[in-house]
Amino acid sequence: GENVEQHPSTLSVQEGDSAVIKCTYSDSASNYFPWYKQELGKRPQLIIDIRSNVGEKKDQRIAVTLNKTAKHFSLHITETQPEDSAVYFCAAWNSGNTPLVFGKGTRLSVIA
Amino acid sequence: EAQVTQNPRYLITVTGKKLTVTCSQNMNHEYMSWYRQDPGLGLRQIYYSMNVEVTDKGDVPEGYKVSRKEKRNFPLILESPSPNQTSLYFCASSLGPGLNTEAFFGQGTRLTVV
Repeated sequence: GENVEQHPSTLSVQEGDSAVIKCTYSDSASNYFPWYKQELGKRPQLIIDIRSNVGEKKDQRIAVTLNKTAKHFSLHITETQPEDSAVYFCAAWNSGNTPLVFGKGTRLSVIA
Repeated sequence: EAQVTQNPRYLITVTGKKLTVTCSQNMNHEYMSWYRQDPGLGLRQIYYSMNVEVTDKGDVPEGYKVSRKEKRNFPLILESPSPNQTSLYFCASSLGPGLNTEAFFGQGTRLTVV
């Protein structure tokens, strides 16, 4: 089955700097890669996703890149703000009868 | 309002006393799943369901049961809870893998087994 590795497990950045979180996946048939943000005490919520027919997607300060050949995808947050502090999860899914698989998460701390 | 509803939000129980955590979604989603979240271990999948009457084991199914008799409900059953099942549990639903759409999470259930 699918295996998703996520790095780093913790990340601290100064406010205004950029943050990058990287994930690799094992199943070459995976074609959907969402990113979730979980604030303290809250449920995970989708912040951005990318499909395998696209190499990059942006939404304001957030961008995701996908390299299908290397089977890795990354989340980029620019101009970080204290409210970006949270746990971020990447995930991978293929279109067969397989489950959505998550990475172990990255705890991002933005220091003011 | 589109949502996934879990109940209860908090539960303290004793070892061996059967319990059920309910999960209901109102979005006509085919895919539903249960996860447990423990510090440093991320979201580990317990069971998932592709549709009514179709359930499969995830990564950590031991000690848990599920059922999917109706599309909207996917209860998680602990027949004989043990302290190592103390955790934060999330239910999630989505249209389905073939449609690759957003998974919506419930509010979470914090379970303590003493």
